[in-house]
Amino acid sequence: NAGVTQTPKFRILKIGQSMTLQCTQDMNHNYMYWYRQDPGMGLKLIYYSVGAGITDKGEVPNGYNVSRSTTEDFPLRLELAAPSQTSVYFCASRLAGNTGELFFGEGSRLTVL
Amino acid sequence: QKEVEQNSGPLSVPEGAIASLNCTYSDRGSQSFFWYRQYSGKSPELIMFIYSNGDKEDGRFTAQLNKASQYVSLLIRDSQPSDSATYLCAVTGYSGGGADGLTFGKGTHLIIQP
Repeated sequence: NAGVTQTPKFRILKIGQSMTLQCTQDMNHNYMYWYRQDPGMGLKLIYYSVGAGITDKGEVPNGYNVSRSTTEDFPLRLELAAPSQTSVYFCASRLAGNTGELFFGEGSRLTVL
Repeated sequence: QKEVEQNSGPLSVPEGAIASLNCTYSDRGSQSFFWYRQYSGKSPELIMFIYSNGDKEDGRFTAQLNKASQYVSLLIRDSQPSDSATYLCAVTGYSGGGADGLTFGKGTHLIIQP
């Protein structure tokens, strides 16, 4: 059972470039999330989705976009990368209606130079 | 804006002693409370969750919740060097069944000294 899979694990971008972080889960979870974690900081919610076709902004959505065309996939798009987007990005998922436990992917480390 | 506060540490504890980690939260409507452990360069992994006032024990770990004081703690008994990590406190709200995910504290860096 793969759980939550993120790709790529590492990426270096130049300022102004765009890219998509991929996230897929095979646990049939309704809810999916993107968090970012800066050094020495907790996780900040970027976007979340409660099901296919439904997405909503979290605490720090500026500079990012998401889509949810299937239950399994929740890609995060970075447009016009900026140094402030240098961070570790975690995708997570959970079942609706449970206690709220999140299952995390291994993370994607992004550096913008 | 929900806030979760933790002392960033580092908290240094001798091997075999009890490590006590604390967390306060701002949203009185918070329903569920989580402790995640995160090793350097790794993703968070769930240690325990609690949603009722009082204590919840799981092996060497005990979570304590006091909703009146908006306070959550994690005790680690017989601390081992492998417990050295950052511990993240997280809470979920009431609205939408917590669909908007967990709000995390910045984490406490715990060091177990052999």
